[in-house]
Amino acid sequence: DAKTTQPPSMDCAEGRAANLPCNHSTISGNEYVYWYRQIHSQGPQYIIHGLKNNETNEMASLIITEDRKSSTLILPHATLRDTAVYYCIVSNNNDMRFGAGTRLTVKP
Amino acid sequence: GAVVSQHPSRVICKSGTSVKIECRSLDFQATTMFWYRQFPKQSLMLMATSNEGSKATYEQGVEKDKFLINHASLTLSTLTVTSAHPEDSSFYICSAAQKAAQPQHFGDGTRLSIL
Repeated sequence: DAKTTQPPSMDCAEGRAANLPCNHSTISGNEYVYWYRQIHSQGPQYIIHGLKNNETNEMASLIITEDRKSSTLILPHATLRDTAVYYCIVSNNNDMRFGAGTRLTVKP
Repeated sequence: GAVVSQHPSRVICKSGTSVKIECRSLDFQATTMFWYRQFPKQSLMLMATSNEGSKATYEQGVEKDKFLINHASLTLSTLTVTSAHPEDSSFYICSAAQKAAQPQHFGDGTRLSIL
């Protein structure tokens, strides 16, 4: 069973920042927060992960609240190619269990 | 970056056929690989954990005699769907990571269609 809650869908205008929330109120102290996305008919693509500090890479930023009960994935300048299902997963090992995710649609 | 290759990408075969899917980690060794199944408009469901040199660990409700997993080397795991039937038609995806707590990297999936 997934330990995270995400909105089922979101829209974002092309060029604007996309902010995808995730609740993980039962997260354990040694569990990381991982974000993946899946474009139609492909395998999931790793985006970013973190434990308690905010993280940034070339794809996105991850903001984790101080109590670690929620996080936000930020795509700073969304493009049409960012349209996908985004999954937030908490895990303390390699065991990744997917919830329903958020279907992000980037619109022109 | 880490790459996981999955083969074949698409299989169409008759009911009763056994189908083997390969998952390879191309530039790293993986003692553990994972197999998932995804039905249309649904999320990925973990089927089993493939352990190099030992038996796979199956999730509840997944028939181990139907979905045979072999992890003979640190870079290869195979999933064999035995005596496949139309209800086994699905998108099968594997993943692997170099170390515990590192991100999983996923293959591009195998779309299995049983006629």
